[in-house]
Amino acid sequence: EAQVTQNPRYLITVTGKKLTVTCSQNMNHEYMSWYRQDPGLGLRQIYYSMNVEVTDKGDVPEGYKVSRKEKRNFPLILESPSPNQTSLYFCASIVGNEAFFGQGTRLTVV
Amino acid sequence: EDKVVQSPLSLVVHEGDTVTLNCSYEVTNFRSLLWYKQEKKAPTFLFMLTSSGIEKKSGRLSSILDKKELFSILNITATQTGDSAIYLCAVLTGTYKYIFGTGTRLKVLA
Repeated sequence: EAQVTQNPRYLITVTGKKLTVTCSQNMNHEYMSWYRQDPGLGLRQIYYSMNVEVTDKGDVPEGYKVSRKEKRNFPLILESPSPNQTSLYFCASIVGNEAFFGQGTRLTVV
Repeated sequence: EDKVVQSPLSLVVHEGDTVTLNCSYEVTNFRSLLWYKQEKKAPTFLFMLTSSGIEKKSGRLSSILDKKELFSILNITATQTGDSAIYLCAVLTGTYKYIFGTGTRLKVLA
């Protein structure tokens, strides 16, 4: 079954404690992307990757890092999380213009 | 600045009503426009539109794109309570950035 898997689904952490949200897809897609969803602001693109070792900034990249060492994985790294990064995060794997979304990670930074 | 604007922000109707959701966009390099439905968590794909004037249809849902006036509409006829969701419009640009609108929250009352 084609799927995009994010972990964890829920995370509460403290300001400044580094964290990683993992994203894995089993569809061999080249294009993957991270979004955050906030009330009234919709989905905003954080980073995207067109292929292994190729990453680009989206609209809101500040405070985030990504890596794409292999095609199936695209982790999102918060080196020093802050409360304004509290949000719902989605990873997506994209082919032919259609995005397949993971189930989301609800992150709370206190 | 590239942007996608959806209207209305929120809509409450009764079962059996027909609704029209709007999406207008301003992007420098348009590739395609996509509609997604978001119920509990991850958005799920509805339609992809690339050409003007060609209606896409799936059951009670249909959508059309006007590339001259830079907008798309999503129609839902004979609405049901299961149509209650957030409907997201997104534009994929020539640089492969996805730009989402803020979404329209639809609630269908029994």
